[in-house]
Amino acid sequence: DAGVIQSPRHEVTEMGQEVTLRCKPISGHDYLFWYRQTMMRGLELLIYFNNNVPIDDSGMPEDRFSAKMPNASFSTLKIQPSEPRDSAVYFCASSLMDLNTGELFFGEGSRLTVL
Amino acid sequence: AQSVTQLDSQVPVFEEAPVELRCNYSSSVSVYLFWYVQYPNQGLQLLLKYLSGSTLVESINGFEAEFNKSQTSFHLRKPSVHISDTAEYFCAVKSGGYQKVTFGTGTKLQVIP
Repeated sequence: DAGVIQSPRHEVTEMGQEVTLRCKPISGHDYLFWYRQTMMRGLELLIYFNNNVPIDDSGMPEDRFSAKMPNASFSTLKIQPSEPRDSAVYFCASSLMDLNTGELFFGEGSRLTVL
Repeated sequence: AQSVTQLDSQVPVFEEAPVELRCNYSSSVSVYLFWYVQYPNQGLQLLLKYLSGSTLVESINGFEAEFNKSQTSFHLRKPSVHISDTAEYFCAVKSGGYQKVTFGTGTKLQVIP
């Protein structure tokens, strides 16, 4: 089975532009998480979904960030407008929580550079 | 609230020497504990986990971790490291019944030939 698929792997954009990151979770998984990784702050949870419904978005830094999950096989994280401090690696992870074990399966990440 | 502390940001060790990566957690309820490994330019992968039962858990590549409830610790150990173990290691905690997984800041293990 394919793992979590993220696109693009690398994105370079200019300040003020809109950025959209995409994620396809593992088929059958019912939880989806968006994390951001930076040198300064480590791995931060931005938002997570259960059965396509956002459960906790308290980690979303500000209104410039939004995330959607229109169906079980696709999610987006959008930044509009982007700023240089948004530069980071953004990871998507999915999980099957039937046993309440909490194991996460990560994608390879999207490295965002905002100039 | 739950949190994880990894005090060591970098740990250099010679090949074939033992290593311990420290992890302490805080949570007001029962916990599940995890170690994930991240190789360069890749996502995180699960290395091992403690859910219940035996407090000593092992991975397939020789790592082990012991859950110590009284010390709220979950240190990762390997008796003899290999060059291929060079990576960043993240400790993580999930409180029972709560779906959010909180990660530590990571420890970079550098194995020196």
